[in-house]
Order: sequence, then structure tokens, then C-alpha cells
Amino acid sequence: EAGVAQSPRYKIIEKRQSVAFWCNPISGHATLYWYQQILGQGPKLLIQFQNNGVVDDSQLPKDRFSAERLKGVDSTLKIQPAKLEDSAVYLCASSLGPGTGNTEAFFGQGTRLTVV
Amino acid sequence: AQRVTQPEKLLSVFKGAPVELKCNYSYSGSPELFWYVQYSRQRLQLLLRHISRESIKGFTADLNKGETSFHLKKPFAQEEDSAMYYCALSGGNSGGSNYKLTFGKGTLLTVNP
Repeated sequence: EAGVAQSPRYKIIEKRQSVAFWCNPISGHATLYWYQQILGQGPKLLIQFQNNGVVDDSQLPKDRFSAERLKGVDSTLKIQPAKLEDSAVYLCASSLGPGTGNTEAFFGQGTRLTVV
Repeated sequence: AQRVTQPEKLLSVFKGAPVELKCNYSYSGSPELFWYVQYSRQRLQLLLRHISRESIKGFTADLNKGETSFHLKKPFAQEEDSAMYYCALSGGNSGGSNYKLTFGKGTLLTVNP
């Protein structure tokens, strides 16, 4: 089956600019996750969707970050304005969802963001 | 709140030696525990989960609820096991906010020839 697709793979922007990342999950996966992974650290959950509803966004810096999952399929994550500390790899993942007996999360290749 | 702690950032062993990557968790309910692995230049992928109780690539992990641990073990390490390993926790399969998937900071395993 096709995996989780993310674009772009790399992005370099200046601080205070805006940027958007796109994710296409595996077909049929109800749960979609966005993680931020700063160099040398583990993935930090930013937001988790169940279909097009938000399960958890407690660690999303809502003053600058936003995410949406229209029609419960693709998702976009936006940063506006970007700060130097936003430099990280942004990972998207998807899973079948709760109650399916299979909670394995499949990850995309990630988008490496550098803010200069 | 759910938390995953991996106390070792780096672990280096020689080929053929036993390896144990430690993971401790904090969660008030019945968690689902996972080990994910990231090989060089590859995407993060599932290695094993506690409910499957299976051995993958020679690795096993047992959930110890008394010690709130889920350590990953392999009796004889191979060079191809060199990778970043992440322990992760999900608050079960019932949905809701407990269902979020939380990762530890990871342990970089290096297996030397």
C-alpha cells in the first residue's frame, strides 16, 4: 500500500515568514498526527486528528501554529510567523484509529524546516 | 498525563553482546506500549508492540506494570541493529484524548564490529 506522503521534503525560510506543510495519510486511516522533532529529541505531538476532529492539540503553539484536516483526509500544518526555534523535522503519521484493534502509526519521511 | 522516559541517550555495544534499551512510563490507566525504530535515512517505523507479545528481528519487550517499564532486549546484537529507538505510549484503544501517542526522547544504539 502507499505510505504517508509529505511535502515539501525541505524548506528554508527567514524568521517571521510563514510556511505550510502538507500530509496525505494512508487511505482509510482515521487518525492523523503531526509531530515536531527537534534535533536530538524525540517526536513531540503537536496535534492529533480523529477523522476531521481534534483529539489533542495541547502542545500546539496556537499563537503561531495552525492545522486542519478537511474532509478527514489530507492535512496541512501552518506556521505564521516562524521563529528560529521552529527549526525541526515535522513528521506526519496516520493509523487506522481506535477500536480497530490496530493502533500502529505509519510515518511519512518528514519535512525538514530551517528558519534563518 | 502520560509520559515516557528513556534514560539512556546513547548505548554502545559490541556485536554478539546482549543489549537492553530501557523505557519507563507514567500513565494512570492501562497503556499500550510500543517500540519504534529509525534506521539511518529511513522513516520512523514500528518495531513491536506489547499486545502482540512477539519477537521482531530478535527483539522482545515485556510490559511490567509493577515497575511501569517496557524495556527492549536482544540477546545477541547485530551491526544492522544500529539505529535510533523510541519507546512510545498510547492510552489504549478506546479513543478520546487518552488515545494520543506519546514518544520518549530516544536511545541511539550503536553496535560495533
